[in-house]
Amino acid sequence: EPEVTQTPSHQVTQMGQEVILRCVPISNHLYFYWYRQILGQKVEFLVSFYNNEISEKSEIFDDQFSVERPDGSNFTLKIRSTKLEDSAMYFCASRGQGDFQPQHFGDGTRLSIL
Amino acid sequence: RKEVEQDPGPFNVPEGATVAFNCTYSNSASQSFFWYRQDCRKEPKLLMSVYSSGNEDGRFTAQLNRASQYISLLIRDSKLSDSATYLCVVIVGFKTIFGAGTRLFVKA
Repeated sequence: EPEVTQTPSHQVTQMGQEVILRCVPISNHLYFYWYRQILGQKVEFLVSFYNNEISEKSEIFDDQFSVERPDGSNFTLKIRSTKLEDSAMYFCASRGQGDFQPQHFGDGTRLSIL
Repeated sequence: RKEVEQDPGPFNVPEGATVAFNCTYSNSASQSFFWYRQDCRKEPKLLMSVYSSGNEDGRFTAQLNRASQYISLLIRDSKLSDSATYLCVVIVGFKTIFGAGTRLFVKA
């Protein structure tokens, strides 16, 4: 069964540094998403992406964050000037065409800011 | 009012029990609904979509009541492996809203 893959599985970074989290969505999917889950808290929507542009973003997704689809397979989340509170699990998801298609999640990148 | 609210849990049930989870949503423009399960420190995994007519998948039954803005999940004949957090997910436009989840413990 095709799956969403994320790398790295764990990223440790010094506060103030930039990180790039990488995702390879399922190949025929057109809609892509990033989520954040702080330990012990709920999954929070960050951004959705379709047709090479952001469709929707949450209040969390401020100027510190950006997304990119640099080629036909990768979907990246960049976090600039990381803060301690950016420490969380970051999940990528993708889905196919059609409003009722479910999202499929990667197994996440654990980001630890020191 | 929270955008998506779920029973706080945790639910502690014996194997073989039937358990029901509820979820309410605030935005009447919500267009699609799902139940996911999440094991500790893992990614959410799709359990089932929720259709207006209600739907069943083995031991799991999902219901949607658009008038009351309410979604439910029924698990029959609980197994130890059903122990997880159950997440109600609502789609509004291009935005996805997760409930905080309900924790289920199934005990032998």
